[in-house]
Amino acid sequence: SQQGEEDPQALSIQEGENATMNCSYKTSINNLQWYRQNSGRGLVHLILIRSNEREKHSGRLRVTLDTSKKSSSLLITASRAADTASYFCALRPNFGNEKLTFGTGTRLTIIP
Amino acid sequence: KAGVTQTPRYLIKTRGQQVTLSCSPISGHRSVSWYQQTPGQGLQFLFEYFSETQRNKGNFPGRFSGRQFSNSRSEMNVSTLELGDSALYLCASGGEGGETQYFGPGTRLLVL
Repeated sequence: SQQGEEDPQALSIQEGENATMNCSYKTSINNLQWYRQNSGRGLVHLILIRSNEREKHSGRLRVTLDTSKKSSSLLITASRAADTASYFCALRPNFGNEKLTFGTGTRLTIIP
Repeated sequence: KAGVTQTPRYLIKTRGQQVTLSCSPISGHRSVSWYQQTPGQGLQFLFEYFSETQRNKGNFPGRFSGRQFSNSRSEMNVSTLELGDSALYLCASGGEGGETQYFGPGTRLLVL
């Protein structure tokens, strides 16, 4: 399967703490993306990291990519209640016009 | 620019009926993808259209079909609805490179 597997499936932390979620995959990728979904709504693109990049930042978000281990992590620093959502990694395979494939998601709950 | 719009937002149908969902991509985007999201199966890719041509297709039965018009608007149709088709159907559009997907709010379909 080309789908990413996310870990943990659910995470609850106190507001102000950092949240880390991981994505592992099996295929060769062109890029890996992270999306956020608030309950029952559309997904919002957060960040894209290419296969030749190792780390990327966007505001309070930090994404790392280790292609040798086929894994990526998303770190959210200084969490806020508004960060409560599901987070998905999505893989763009490194061949042809292959579709973007989404992982299983991590449900993040920030406790005020 | 206006975001991706989907109509209708909510829909209730009965088994055996058919349904058509509509998606208007962001202006200038030529790629439209459809996804089905359920609690049990997560986000599953249905199909992708680019310039009126189906570029990718997921593993769904032939009851699921789609098309894209010359103005990039897309429709998906599900015939002979089953209870298991109850889901959130998400549409996403992509720009020229198509790397990042911009999602609409989704259509929530309930089949009774």
